[in-house]
Amino acid sequence: KAGVTQTPRYLIKTRGQQVTLSCSPISGHRSVSWYQQTPGQGLQFLFEYFSETQRNKGNFPGRFSGRQFSNSRSEMNVSTLELGDSALYLCASSLSGGHYEQYFGPGTRLTVT
Amino acid sequence: GESVGLHLPTLSVQEGDNSIINCAYSNSASDYFIWYKQESGKGPQFIIDIRSNMDKRQGQRVTVLLNKTVKHLSLQIAATQPGDSAVYFCAEASGGGADGLTFGKGTHLIIQP
Repeated sequence: KAGVTQTPRYLIKTRGQQVTLSCSPISGHRSVSWYQQTPGQGLQFLFEYFSETQRNKGNFPGRFSGRQFSNSRSEMNVSTLELGDSALYLCASSLSGGHYEQYFGPGTRLTVT
Repeated sequence: GESVGLHLPTLSVQEGDNSIINCAYSNSASDYFIWYKQESGKGPQFIIDIRSNMDKRQGQRVTVLLNKTVKHLSLQIAATQPGDSAVYFCAEASGGGADGLTFGKGTHLIIQP
């Protein structure tokens, strides 16, 4: 069974631009969560989607948003990029909402210049 | 807010020895704990999990111990191999997992030949 895939793997953007990252969960998994990983803050929860609905959101500004499609694929968008948004963005999938066991993709490395 | 932490940022062990990585958590409502392994350039890889109604759980070469009295979690790796070199994170969840996983800062395990 294929794992979680994320595209693109690497991205360089300029401050003020916006970016969209994509995540395809493991087949059959309906829940997708997004995390931001930085050396200073570690891994932090952004939001979770289940059945195309955002179930919960972490402590991030409204510039961070996401959505989930009917095939469970998910996208996250960051608008008006700031230098501090440079990070590894990780997507994790799990079978269903409330199912704890999450499997991570390789991440998208975003660099904001 | 409450968070999950690790006692040591770096742990160096000899190849073939057993490794013990520790984690302290503060959220008494946590009912599920996971250990992840993250190699350079990759996303976190699920190692083993344990629910709060258990004290110990064993996998292949790994054992997780949970002490709810002192809110302490540990990961034991038997006969450490070079491929075990990575950053290890503990994570906790509660409330059905809807709030996402809360991660500790991570311990970098270094294997000495």
